[in-house]
Amino acid sequence: QQQVKQSPQSLIVQKGGIPIINCAYENTAFDYFPWYQQFPGKGPALLIAIRPDVSEKKEGRFTISFNKSAKQFSLHIMDSQPGDSATYFCAASEGTSYGKLTFGQGTILTVHP
Amino acid sequence: AAGVIQSPRHLIKEKRETATLKCYPIPRHDTVYWYQQGPGQDPQFLISFYEKMQSDKGSIPDRFSAQQFSDYHSELNMSSLELGDSALYFCASSSDRGQNEQFFGPGTRLTVL
Repeated sequence: QQQVKQSPQSLIVQKGGIPIINCAYENTAFDYFPWYQQFPGKGPALLIAIRPDVSEKKEGRFTISFNKSAKQFSLHIMDSQPGDSATYFCAASEGTSYGKLTFGQGTILTVHP
Repeated sequence: AAGVIQSPRHLIKEKRETATLKCYPIPRHDTVYWYQQGPGQDPQFLISFYEKMQSDKGSIPDRFSAQQFSDYHSELNMSSLELGDSALYFCASSSDRGQNEQFFGPGTRLTVL
């Protein structure tokens, strides 16, 4: 059973577009929500993370929106570039579990020039 | 900045053989995690260590064992290898009992023939 559900599975946008990736969770004990970017054959790289005490966090071109009541969070990539083409994973962890991450299924993003 | 180091980067083994994967965490990180990522899948948590003690355990087969040493490096030992063990194995490290961000290594690609 997937504890963190991610959509869409794949996404194609034009350069400059704003891809949005969504995640939903059930476990209310989750209190840390990172997003990772992964290129083929490489390790996941932390992009941005949020905790439930804020509804939005922005770092550069990446923004997380968080809706605690709906148990949903999303990643927005502003002014997307071909170099952003990668697989994006949302994840979640509980504060009591020494940080083990539960990942979503991943979204393959393609940004056309 | 120093990153997580994993060795070897690629490993090819026959069925029923044994493999040992090594992980060197970022200096001053006290928590180490192991994840397994199958082709086209999201990373799945295997096991974690905090201060050389096992802190959490996920879907790790009984054929696998792991430990963290006094210098904080960790090893994942895999015995009686099966074809289904072919995957990318990632190590990640974190500080402050896993309360902070996890940083992933480049991974070890294990192929079982």
